[in-house]
Amino acid sequence: ELKVEQNPLFLSMQEGKNYTIYCNYSTTSDRLYWYRQDPGKSLESLFVLLSNGAVKQEGRLMASLDTKARLSTLHITAAVHDLSATYFCAVDMIPQGGSQGNLIFGKGTKLSVKP
Amino acid sequence: DVKVTQSSRYLVKRTGEKVFLECVQDMDHENMFWYRQDPGLGLRLIYFSYDVKMKEKGDIPEGYSVSREKKERFSLILESASTNQTSMYLCASSSGGLSNQPQHFGDGTRLSIL
Repeated sequence: ELKVEQNPLFLSMQEGKNYTIYCNYSTTSDRLYWYRQDPGKSLESLFVLLSNGAVKQEGRLMASLDTKARLSTLHITAAVHDLSATYFCAVDMIPQGGSQGNLIFGKGTKLSVKP
Repeated sequence: DVKVTQSSRYLVKRTGEKVFLECVQDMDHENMFWYRQDPGLGLRLIYFSYDVKMKEKGDIPEGYSVSREKKERFSLILESASTNQTSMYLCASSSGGLSNQPQHFGDGTRLSIL
């Protein structure tokens, strides 16, 4: 059974600081997704990571994937208040045939950036 | 842009009622999914579908059923609603085959069972 663990689950940080959110998963997969969810809103896709060593950057967020370590990181650089949200990683189960399968989600990291 | 539309943002029903949650997507996606989201538990997959009239159980299908009569529409049915089904329900869709595109989510339906 594929398990996806995020840590920390809660993160309070000051504006201007850097921090990393970790996403570990338990079985082989080379497709990992990061989503953002604002309070009362739906999930918005941030990054799609499809191979070992993949790195994607958008603004102050950078995501990476190490499939050998079964680890993805979401790094926040010089945080600003607008980044306050809950961040989810999700790993693709990839059933036989190679089609996109189910996503198994981590429990989310609730990020609060304070001035 | 992909649009996934859920029929209701908020819904209040009574125990024992049959409840229908509707989801429509406009991007001709093959795959559609229903999740529920609860505090501390994250998103859990209820049912999914890879094609019209096709359905597969997710992690927590008990007490739910689904219907996919048309490609663009995926309905979640609570056969006899219970208070433990009070939750946020999210529908998602994605393209099928070897596509690596992410799932696109609707705005969610916050369902309360009294």
